[in-house]
Amino acid sequence: GAVVSQHPSRVICKSGTSVKIECRSLDFQATTMFWYRQFPKQSLMLMATSNEGSKATYEQGVEKDKFLINHASLTLSTLTVTSAHPEDSSFYICSAPQRGANTDTQYFGPGTRLTVL
Amino acid sequence: AQSVAQPEDQVKVAEGNPLTVKCTYSVSGNPYLFWYVQYPNRGLQFLLKYITGDNLVKGSYGFEAEFNKSQTSFHLKKPSALVSDSALYFCAYITSGTYKYIFGTGTRLKVLA
Repeated sequence: GAVVSQHPSRVICKSGTSVKIECRSLDFQATTMFWYRQFPKQSLMLMATSNEGSKATYEQGVEKDKFLINHASLTLSTLTVTSAHPEDSSFYICSAPQRGANTDTQYFGPGTRLTVL
Repeated sequence: AQSVAQPEDQVKVAEGNPLTVKCTYSVSGNPYLFWYVQYPNRGLQFLLKYITGDNLVKGSYGFEAEFNKSQTSFHLKKPSALVSDSALYFCAYITSGTYKYIFGTGTRLKVLA
């Protein structure tokens, strides 16, 4: 099946710094990707929809200036957590529907665990 | 508001016994319903989905789910549980017209040897 990768798998950073997380569709093109955040022992919360060639769409309550999303190509979306704080520590997961297929068929990345000290 | 609910935070079952993980939905129109599994520090793996057609959906790793419109349920089942099935299970649906997943709160399944 289709594969979505995320890099890095784990990152630890100091408070106030910025961290970039990459989401790549390895063997298919994705004009849309989704970013989720998962707190410990909780469900996934949709943060934003990343759109190739246009601005991302953010869910209510998600700060677009803090969580910068760039969909640079048909296979790459990046999430940058700016001026990170300890409360940003979380597990971030992306997903991508395969272009041309039904978008209910989505593939999830393995996740990135961010720890802000 | 449209949603899916997983009423149990945790389910424990002995290995070899049948397992059920519950999900109910409150979605207008025809729901697209899904089950995903998540192992520790891993992303989500697709198990099965219901779009239309047969109410009994068979998926990966021997799992199945039954779409019950009258009870608005989509419970996940497996006839004989394995210890390796221990994981976090999520029920989800796609919001109409947007293709964004909305997840339930998750149910942690523990299969005891």
